[in-house]
This record gives sequence, C-alpha cells and structure tokens, in this order.
Amino acid sequence: DVKVTQSSRYLVKRTGEKVFLECVQDMDHENMFWYRQDPGLGLRLIYFSYDVKMKEKGDIPEGYSVSREKKERFSLILESASTNQTSMYLCASTFSRGAPRYGYTFGSGTRLTVV
Amino acid sequence: AQSVTQLDSQVPVFEEAPVELRCNYSSSVSVYLFWYVQYPNQGLQLLLKYLSGSTLVESINGFEAEFNKSQTSFHLRKPSVHISDTAEYFCVNITGGGNKLTFGTGTQLKVEL
Repeated sequence: DVKVTQSSRYLVKRTGEKVFLECVQDMDHENMFWYRQDPGLGLRLIYFSYDVKMKEKGDIPEGYSVSREKKERFSLILESASTNQTSMYLCASTFSRGAPRYGYTFGSGTRLTVV
Repeated sequence: AQSVTQLDSQVPVFEEAPVELRCNYSSSVSVYLFWYVQYPNQGLQLLLKYLSGSTLVESINGFEAEFNKSQTSFHLRKPSVHISDTAEYFCVNITGGGNKLTFGTGTQLKVEL
C-alpha cells in the first residue's frame, strides 16, 4: 500500500521555536507539496518541490522554508514559530508526468499548535 | 488565476435524503477537476475525478459529479446519503500544464438521523 507518512500527528511548540515537519513518501514521486488547512479557508499551498534540491514558493510561503535533500523526503521548516502558524499541515506527492491521471496522495496531517 | 468556489460551507441533511454539493471553477485552459473527502480526524482521500471524456463521473460509494463546461460547474451529488458520509468535501482543480492543486474552501456535510 503506497503511503505518504508525516512523522507527527500532533505537535505543540512554543513561540519562537524552530519547528521541523517531516514528510516521507514511498512511491518514487517527483513532486511533493506542503499545504496548511484552516477552517473556512480550505487548503493553501505553502511550498512545493519538483525534484531533489528544487523548491518553489506556493501561495503563502512567508514564515516557512523547505528542504528536499532526498527524493522521498520533503521537510517543512518554521524558522521561528508564531501563534498564527497554528494549523493542520498536510503533505502530498504525485508523479511529475501525468499527475492528474495518477492522482495525488496525501498524508494524514500534522496538527501543530504554537503556544 | 485559477480558482474554485464552493458556495456552501455547511450542508445539513437527513439520512436517506439526496444531497448536492456545489462547485464552480474558473479556468481558461484545460481543466482537471477532483472531489476529495476528509473524514473526521483523517487525511484527504480522492472521491472522484474528471479528466476528459464522459462528463458524468462516479465514485464507488454512490457519489457522482457532472462536469458542465457552459456553467463552469462540477457539482457533487448523491441520491441517498448515509450517516457515514458525514465529512468535509473539497472541490479541487489542476491546470492542464501544471501540477498544483487549487482547493475550494470546503463543504461540511452533516448527515443526521
């Protein structure tokens, strides 16, 4: 069974901490994405990556950075966590060619609370 | 810019009643449309998708959606809902040449006895 695994289901961090959210996929997908989900706003794209060491800003990149050193792993980094970054974070992956046909696979999400 | 509009944030419905969740998209290029479902405390799952061909697409659990180009809509319907259909439903668009998903704001379907 193919999977996108997010390392933590729930996370509580203090304001100002550096936070790492990890995502690993076992499907050899080229593309990986980080979204945040907030009530009434749907899912908004933070960053995405088309290949190792490549990254592109999404719609709301401010306050975040990413790292993709290996094909299967895509990390989201909150350099200095703030309370407005309290949210559900979802990772997704897909093939680069024919993505619509093959579909996207999502992780179960990490609910981050910044206090 | 691509956008997806879900007009209803919440839809309450009684069990065994029909339901329609509305979705409108804006796009000037090829359109790929999806409905994703998120059950309580779970991740997102693909419900159905329109890529090309027949404008009526169906899922394995009784949902269907019809792609209507003239009305730029992709409404989700089910003739008889079950308690287990209670979830949040997202309408999603991908542009023909890209790989980024654009999500609607979601519709919370609450099925009551």
